[in-house]
Amino acid sequence: DTEVTQTPKHLVMGMTNKKSLKCEQHMGHRAMYWYKQKAKKPPELMFVYSYEKLSINESVPSRFSPECPNSSLLNLHLHALQPEDSALYLCASSQELRAGTEAFFGQGTRLTVV
Amino acid sequence: GENVEQHPSTLSVQEGDSAVIKCTYSDSASNYFPWYKQELGKGPQLIIDIRSNVGEKKDQRIAVTLNKTAKHFSLHITETQPEDSAVYFCAAQWGGNNRLAFGKGNQVVVIP
Repeated sequence: DTEVTQTPKHLVMGMTNKKSLKCEQHMGHRAMYWYKQKAKKPPELMFVYSYEKLSINESVPSRFSPECPNSSLLNLHLHALQPEDSALYLCASSQELRAGTEAFFGQGTRLTVV
Repeated sequence: GENVEQHPSTLSVQEGDSAVIKCTYSDSASNYFPWYKQELGKGPQLIIDIRSNVGEKKDQRIAVTLNKTAKHFSLHITETQPEDSAVYFCAAQWGGNNRLAFGKGNQVVVIP
């Protein structure tokens, strides 16, 4: 089983709304990632968690706030987003944060900011 | 950091023919190279990967080759089928921390 589950699949939110994206994996992976993907572009790394601790923040604006409540769950809290934040948000996980470990992606949340 | 170039950007092949996508990377320390297939409306799916201590890896109709000296790696799909139509991303892992540098992607269209 290499499944990473993301909810919701689609989300439309206004610029004053607060919403959260959720990601879950039950593979026992201890590294989890958030990526942002714009149309016809490759995924761009946003955040990396290792053993529930934030390991990498790729200078992401504070209107995006990640949270890792336990080893199976990863959230991305959204507040005061801009229309240019509309994108596919992908969660991924890998066994550990070390060289050569496979990363598996979820199906993504298609976010539209209006 | 790592820079990955991917060519061509689009590729159309007749069903049953082979497709080859090539990527080059810049950081000679990179040692892990996965390939992802992304279908419309879905997340990237890991289809094959190769590590720097191996020159070639095959899984049914898919194969990947790595030339460390030249710093390039390629995806080969044989006997293409319509369901192979998708965007394919190559990536190279660099700097530890499982950071992946992605190529820009290649749209493969298999014509029935």
